[in-house]
Amino acid sequence: ETGVTQSPTHLIKTRGQQVTLRCSSQSGHNTVSWYQQALGQGPQFIFQYYREEENGRGNFPPRFSGLQFPNYSSELNVNALELDDSALYLCASSLVTRTAGGVNEQFFGPGTRLTVL
Amino acid sequence: GNSVTQMEGPVTLSEEAFLTINCTYTATGYPSLFWYVQYPGEGLQLLLKATKADDKGSNKGFEATYRKETTSFHLEKGSVQVSDSAVYFCALSNTGFQKLVFGTGTRLLVSP
Repeated sequence: ETGVTQSPTHLIKTRGQQVTLRCSSQSGHNTVSWYQQALGQGPQFIFQYYREEENGRGNFPPRFSGLQFPNYSSELNVNALELDDSALYLCASSLVTRTAGGVNEQFFGPGTRLTVL
Repeated sequence: GNSVTQMEGPVTLSEEAFLTINCTYTATGYPSLFWYVQYPGEGLQLLLKATKADDKGSNKGFEATYRKETTSFHLEKGSVQVSDSAVYFCALSNTGFQKLVFGTGTRLLVSP
């Protein structure tokens, strides 16, 4: 069973540029969540996708956008990069079944470290 | 809103010492509670979880009990090892929506 993978591992961009980060879900999972982890901080929820639809969003501006594809992989796009966007971006996948209550475990990828200069 | 507060680190211990990392939370409803661990250069790994009051989560010698009356979920281990050195995050999630709310993390350093 393949775990969650993310690409690229590291990325350097300049202010004002655009970036796309990619995530491949763990096999059998249908939900992807993205988190931003600034240095020395806990991860902050950006948004979640369930079956290709956005299923909730954290306190991030619209220049943070995403996609989920039919194979449940996902992209995070950030436009007009700012210096404060420098962080580790984590993707997490899970299997959510609407018929059951409770919380499903989220499996995290290793992250993409984005540096904005 | 929902929030998690963890004790600040770093926590520095000698091998075989007893570990406690405090975590308290504020939440509406009845959240599930988690401890995640992050080793250097890696993503987060789920260490343990508890989904209702008085549940005890345990894994790899670590334990935490969901205390609703004190809104706490403290992490404990009886005898730490050098390999336990990492950053530990307490987190919560309300049912029906999978958003995780994390604390700021506590760095644990274990020396031989």
